[in-house]
Amino acid sequence: DGGITQSPKYLFRKEGQNVTLSCEQNLNHDAMYWYRQDPGQGLRLIYYSQIVNDFQKGDIAEGYSVSREKKESFPLTVTSAQKNPTAFYLCASSIRGVAGNTEAFFGQGTRLTVV
Amino acid sequence: AQSVTQLDSQVPVFEEAPVELRCNYSSSVSVYLFWYVQYPNQGLQLLLKYLSGSTLVKGINGFEAEFNKSQTSFHLRKPSVHISDTAEYFCAVSAPGANNLFFGTGTRLTVIP
Repeated sequence: DGGITQSPKYLFRKEGQNVTLSCEQNLNHDAMYWYRQDPGQGLRLIYYSQIVNDFQKGDIAEGYSVSREKKESFPLTVTSAQKNPTAFYLCASSIRGVAGNTEAFFGQGTRLTVV
Repeated sequence: AQSVTQLDSQVPVFEEAPVELRCNYSSSVSVYLFWYVQYPNQGLQLLLKYLSGSTLVKGINGFEAEFNKSQTSFHLRKPSVHISDTAEYFCAVSAPGANNLFFGTGTRLTVIP
């Protein structure tokens, strides 16, 4: 089945540690996105990538980094510079950029908790 | 830039009753509008979308929405809800040339038996 796989589902991090969230898609989509979800705040865009080896900052990129070395993969690293990383992280992809009549497909999310 | 307002953070409704979830958007250009549903601890699933054409859009699970340009609204409706409709619903907007979806803060629909 085609889809987006995020791992792990739950992740615990100690303060000061970097952690990497995995996102893989087998939909052959060009564009991929990372969103952060906090209660009562909806989804906010962290980073997006329209094509391999290219990515752009979203609204809340500080304290995060990404790479896009393969079309299928778009890992997100939460660095120690992110002061409040506890949140639900969602990865998404679309055939091309969301502009136009394209639909975004979402993974099941990773819940990150700082302990 | 685009933005979305979902005024109702929580909507309780009895089973088999109708429901309307409100969504208003702000944009200086033409827009594309989406409704997504999120079940607990899961990702988002597309319910329906408005791109152009007929202002009444039908989606999955018996939901529909109507695009009203003069009122800049895209309210989601269902004539008779089921327990399984209990979830969080997000309205989102995009526009030609944009690279992002702008989401509202969500409405938690709780269906009461």
